[in-house]
Amino acid sequence: DAGVIQSPRHEVTEMGQEVTLRCKPISGHDYLFWYRQTMMRGLELLIYFNNNVPIDDSGMPEDRFSAKMPNASFSTLKIQPSEPRDSAVYFCASSLGGALGANVLTFGAGSRLTVL
Amino acid sequence: GIQVEQSPPDLILQEGANSTLRCNFSDSVNNLQWFHQNPWGQLINLFYIPSGTKQNGRLSATTVATERYSLLYISSSQTTDSGVYFCAADTGTASKLTFGTGTRLQVTL
Repeated sequence: DAGVIQSPRHEVTEMGQEVTLRCKPISGHDYLFWYRQTMMRGLELLIYFNNNVPIDDSGMPEDRFSAKMPNASFSTLKIQPSEPRDSAVYFCASSLGGALGANVLTFGAGSRLTVL
Repeated sequence: GIQVEQSPPDLILQEGANSTLRCNFSDSVNNLQWFHQNPWGQLINLFYIPSGTKQNGRLSATTVATERYSLLYISSSQTTDSGVYFCAADTGTASKLTFGTGTRLQVTL
């Protein structure tokens, strides 16, 4: 398996523009997570899905952020409109879930977002 | 939610030295994982260890769940061990992990 695939790897945009980040989890993994990493706040969980259904979005900072998982092999994180404080590295991760011991989290390479 | 604290925040070692990184957590956990973030930003899972001891080459980890801490041991450190080591924990089973602030390790020649 190619691992968790994220795109784009780098995105530079201007304030007010819409940003869409994409993720393809490992095939067969039931759980998908979106994390954000900043110097100030470290690694924060934004939202996670189980079997394509959003389970907990309490970490989504505000209504400008939305996430979808239309099928088992694809998820998007959208920011509209973007603001400079959204600049961060956004990571997608997936895991098998279910039985204890199957919850090893595998991360993608991340999408570095810069909002000017 | 659960609180995860790591120490030390920074560590500088000479190649060949050993080190111990500590992770304290505030609640009973069903899920405890250690990660290494390399200088290029990639997060690599090192251990899934909610309890007990595991070893993988020069790395080993021990979690004492009853006392709410975990230790990561690095022996005979190499420059490629440099980066940030994160501990992450969850009280449930879904890998909804809360991350600590990390230990930044620099291994010098």
